[in-house]
Amino acid sequence: KAGVTQTPRYLIKTRGQQVTLSCSPISGHRSVSWYQQTPGQGLQFLFEYFSETQRNKGNFPGRFSGRQFSNSRSEMNVSTLELGDSALYLCASSSDGGPDIQYFGAGTRLSVL
Amino acid sequence: QKEVEQNSGPLSVPEGAIASLNCTYSDRGSQSFFWYRQYSGKSPELIMSIYSNGDKEDGRFTAQLNKASQYVSLLIRDSQPSDSATYLCAVRRGNSGNTPLVFGKGTRLSVIA
Repeated sequence: KAGVTQTPRYLIKTRGQQVTLSCSPISGHRSVSWYQQTPGQGLQFLFEYFSETQRNKGNFPGRFSGRQFSNSRSEMNVSTLELGDSALYLCASSSDGGPDIQYFGAGTRLSVL
Repeated sequence: QKEVEQNSGPLSVPEGAIASLNCTYSDRGSQSFFWYRQYSGKSPELIMSIYSNGDKEDGRFTAQLNKASQYVSLLIRDSQPSDSATYLCAVRRGNSGNTPLVFGKGTRLSVIA
């Protein structure tokens, strides 16, 4: 079974630009969660999508948004990039059956110059 | 008070010794607890999940949970240099399997050969 796939693996953008990251969950998983990881703040929850609906949201500004498609693939978008948005963005999928376990993709490393 | 706290380390242990990693959490309603391992530059991978008070063993790893003390730990027996990584404690808040995971900032473990 293929794991969680994130594309692209690396991105370099400049301030003010926008970026879209993609995540394909494990086959059969309907829940996709996004996290931002930085050395100072650790892993912070951005949002979670289930069946194309945002089910949970973390404490990030509205510049961070996401969506989920009918095939469970998810995208997250960051608009008006700031230097502080430089981070590893991780996507995790789970099957949402009982105490579900999240499996992480390899991440997208975003550098904002 | 931070929601999930871990000693950042580094925790250094000699090869073959027992490494003990600790985590405390603030939400008394937390029901699900996870340990992830993250190698430098890689994504987190699940090592253990634990839901009930007591010990849970899997190979060289033992997770211990004490909900009354709001404390969860991970013991690694016969530590190997390949165990050198950052260990992340994650807690699911509340009783629902749909609530987000909250991560500690991780403890860096170094196993010295």
